[in-house]
Amino acid sequence: GAGVSQSPSNKVTEKGKDVELRCDPISGHTALYWYRQSLGQGLEFLIYFQGNSAPDKSGLPSDRFSAERTGGSVSTLTIQRTQQEDSAVYLCASSASGGRGETQYFGPGTRLLVL
Amino acid sequence: ILNVEQSPQSLHVQEGDSTNFTCSFPSSNFYALHWYRWETAKSPEALFVMTLNGDEKKKGRISATLNTKEGYSYLYIKGSQPEDSATYLCASLNDYKLSFGAGTTVTVRA
Repeated sequence: GAGVSQSPSNKVTEKGKDVELRCDPISGHTALYWYRQSLGQGLEFLIYFQGNSAPDKSGLPSDRFSAERTGGSVSTLTIQRTQQEDSAVYLCASSASGGRGETQYFGPGTRLLVL
Repeated sequence: ILNVEQSPQSLHVQEGDSTNFTCSFPSSNFYALHWYRWETAKSPEALFVMTLNGDEKKKGRISATLNTKEGYSYLYIKGSQPEDSATYLCASLNDYKLSFGAGTTVTVRA
């Protein structure tokens, strides 16, 4: 079956603009995660969804970042008033139910560049 | 956020040679250790999920071992091929979220 997909694959925006990043998880997966990799940094956790609820938003770097998930499937990560430090690769992952021994399957990422 | 470290940061291997590298992680409250292979512009590819001390897993020419008591895992590549060139990431699971190391970038020279 299809893996995790993300769109757009690349996004260039001007400082101060809002952007929306989309993630389509593997069908049937209830757990969804957002991570990002900034230049020179490792992958860092942003937010976790179980179904449509986000029990852990602890990794969101500021209140300019928000995310939602609808229908237990597609998720959108929104960054308002983008700043240059938001430039990064944003990765989405999903797993079957969020259990400890489960594999998290990653999408190809959205490469965001804020000018 | 867990402190996960990988070494070396990068390495170059001659085609046909074998290599290995290390991931260290906090041994307390251990849940699981994940290994991924990440090639540029592609999705990180899941290699292994390891949960038990002494676990050893194998996928083709790649294998991994786990020591949860001392908090380290080794990844081995046997008979390296150019297609093994990638960044290898390890991540320790904290509840449901992964804390990643910075990765080991492997370049296999033909």
